[in-house]
Amino acid sequence: GQQLNQSPQSMFIQEGEDVSMNCTSSSIFNTWLWYKQDPGEGPVLLIALYKAGELTSNGRLTAQFGITRKDSFLNISASIPSDVGIYFCAGQLDSGSRLTFGEGTQLTVNP
Amino acid sequence: EPEVTQTPSHQVTQMGQEVILRCVPISNHLYFYWYRQILGQKVEFLVSFYNNEISEKSEIFDDQFSVERPDGSNFTLKIRSTKLEDSAMYFCASSERRDSPGKLFFGSGTQLSVL
Repeated sequence: GQQLNQSPQSMFIQEGEDVSMNCTSSSIFNTWLWYKQDPGEGPVLLIALYKAGELTSNGRLTAQFGITRKDSFLNISASIPSDVGIYFCAGQLDSGSRLTFGEGTQLTVNP
Repeated sequence: EPEVTQTPSHQVTQMGQEVILRCVPISNHLYFYWYRQILGQKVEFLVSFYNNEISEKSEIFDDQFSVERPDGSNFTLKIRSTKLEDSAMYFCASSERRDSPGKLFFGSGTQLSVL
């Protein structure tokens, strides 16, 4: 099956710093998504990307769909303590098909 | 705000027992999914369901698993004879339209522990 490689696995940053994480795939996805998961909760959708090259923002979050369709990155600017959690990328090949998740980036923000 | 509801939040069972995990998707949604997450690992797709039949299933979803929409509101996942490796957090998700890619809303999960 398709695999997503997400990096870094974990990040420890100071409040106010910017954060960047990315996902790469050996095969193409036609939709890229970024989710955040808090402890004991289900994933919550942050940003969805539908076109190669697309750059989309949601508040302090910015994500891009790579031109090759095989990668995506997520940036968080001016991090705050509530940004703590696990961030997952996910790819979808066709509309309605399964989501393939990356292994997650554990973000810790020190006040 | 509408949400996907899952019960129970925790389920402990003995190996070989049957379990049923329950979900109430968002009321106007038509597409339903089960995913699972083994502790410390990524979220994995199990099955998708539309119009009272399975749309897609993964290699994980073998003959021990089944899904059902017994009425207009519930969506269930049954594991017939649980194994130790079935221990995981199971997430139900729903989406309104098939062409709303990725706009899946997830429940808070059922933590299944098989002893």
